[in-house]
Amino acid sequence: GAVVSQHPSWVICKSGTSVKIECRSLDFQATTMFWYRQFPKQSLMLMATSNEGSKATYEQGVEKDKFLINHASLTLSTLTVTSAHPEDSSFYICSAFIDSTDTQYFGPGTRLTVL
Amino acid sequence: GEDVEQSLFLSVREGDSSVINCTYTDSSSTYLYWYKQEPGAGLQLLTYIFSNMDMKQDQRLTVLLNKKDKHLSLRIADTQTGDSAIYFCAESIRGGKLIFGQGTELSVKP
Repeated sequence: GAVVSQHPSWVICKSGTSVKIECRSLDFQATTMFWYRQFPKQSLMLMATSNEGSKATYEQGVEKDKFLINHASLTLSTLTVTSAHPEDSSFYICSAFIDSTDTQYFGPGTRLTVL
Repeated sequence: GEDVEQSLFLSVREGDSSVINCTYTDSSSTYLYWYKQEPGAGLQLLTYIFSNMDMKQDQRLTVLLNKKDKHLSLRIADTQTGDSAIYFCAESIRGGKLIFGQGTELSVKP
């Protein structure tokens, strides 16, 4: 149980294009999902908290107009990197939060490379 | 602010025990976690401990929590080459958010 998937697992795009990453909880519902980014050899940095049915809450320094988050249902959150640039290249990881156990389950990550 | 610190590297021989240490700052954390990350993969939840516990054992894993010193450790008994990975400790803060340490890269030599 508690499986989280991400799609795609990797993507290469040209500078200026937009990329959408999906995060799904496969066997449970999550009112809250989190989005992180991880640079090589570094820790995970929380970007935003995605709440079903309401606007996402962004961490300080994260541009909400660049990283659009939509929590369409209790099992799906999407992150869209708009007008991507090479500095947006990173490993993006989502997690789904289960309130009752105060536990986050992580997706396998999406490797974004912007040329 | 909240901060979680870990040593960056640990090298052990196969069959030895590994101990990965972590310190945190937020004394109101309800749960503390250990995650494992293999190259190019997401995070796998290894174990967690409730803040009012001192110790938790789960097969080869033993978690020790010293709440007074805000110190958390993960002991892996009989370490295997398959245990080579990066290990992150994390503390939960308000709203389910996690603050991660920098990660400890565990290298297991045959």
